[in-house]
Amino acid sequence: SQQGEEDPQALSIQEGENATMNCSYKTSINNLQWYRQNSGRGLVHLILIRSNEREKHSGRLRVTLDTSKKSSSLLITASRAADTASYFCATPGPQGAQKLVFGQGTRLTINP
Amino acid sequence: DAGVIQSPRHEVTEMGQEVTLRCKPISGHDYLFWYRQTMMRGLELLIYFNNNVPIDDSGMPEDRFSAKMPNASFSTLKIQPSEPRDSAVYFCASSPRTGRDYGYTFGSGTRLTVV
Repeated sequence: SQQGEEDPQALSIQEGENATMNCSYKTSINNLQWYRQNSGRGLVHLILIRSNEREKHSGRLRVTLDTSKKSSSLLITASRAADTASYFCATPGPQGAQKLVFGQGTRLTINP
Repeated sequence: DAGVIQSPRHEVTEMGQEVTLRCKPISGHDYLFWYRQTMMRGLELLIYFNNNVPIDDSGMPEDRFSAKMPNASFSTLKIQPSEPRDSAVYFCASSPRTGRDYGYTFGSGTRLTVV
């Protein structure tokens, strides 16, 4: 069963604009991860945020985590055509299972 | 490091045939995961190993699927007999420690088409 759910399912913006994607999850977590998948490729790990962190930055990426609302957001600033991809949030599986459960993803398209 | 290596990249087979997918994880990674990705069901975890031992195979669809990890540098996922509904992209991923606390490194996947 899915733990995280991304919103929106698809997002199309102009190059240079900021893109925001959201992830909601159901149970308590100790961390949340974001991944990118380019068409026809494997997933690439972008960033991990722990439950005691509220915000984390990596280059043009900014991730926030609100454990009270069980939600996270991924912001990509000054988007580029190369950012066109699907973005997934992932959370630890239930009951201490040593695995990640992925959401359905947000398909981001950057228009030149 | 060359990353996680999967083979073949593409596989087209006829229904009823045996299919074997292969994965070489990153050296030193203790965990290996097999996922399947489809449009309808997204990314599903099939099975994962810790130090070559299968830990959780609850995601394996049925007895037609089997996975092995004979040593730290090699794993296989076998489907016998294959069916058209098995068509999907199969990913292998590895992690240095528990996947819960560290990012996964994914391979490029094997696109399986069963006709």
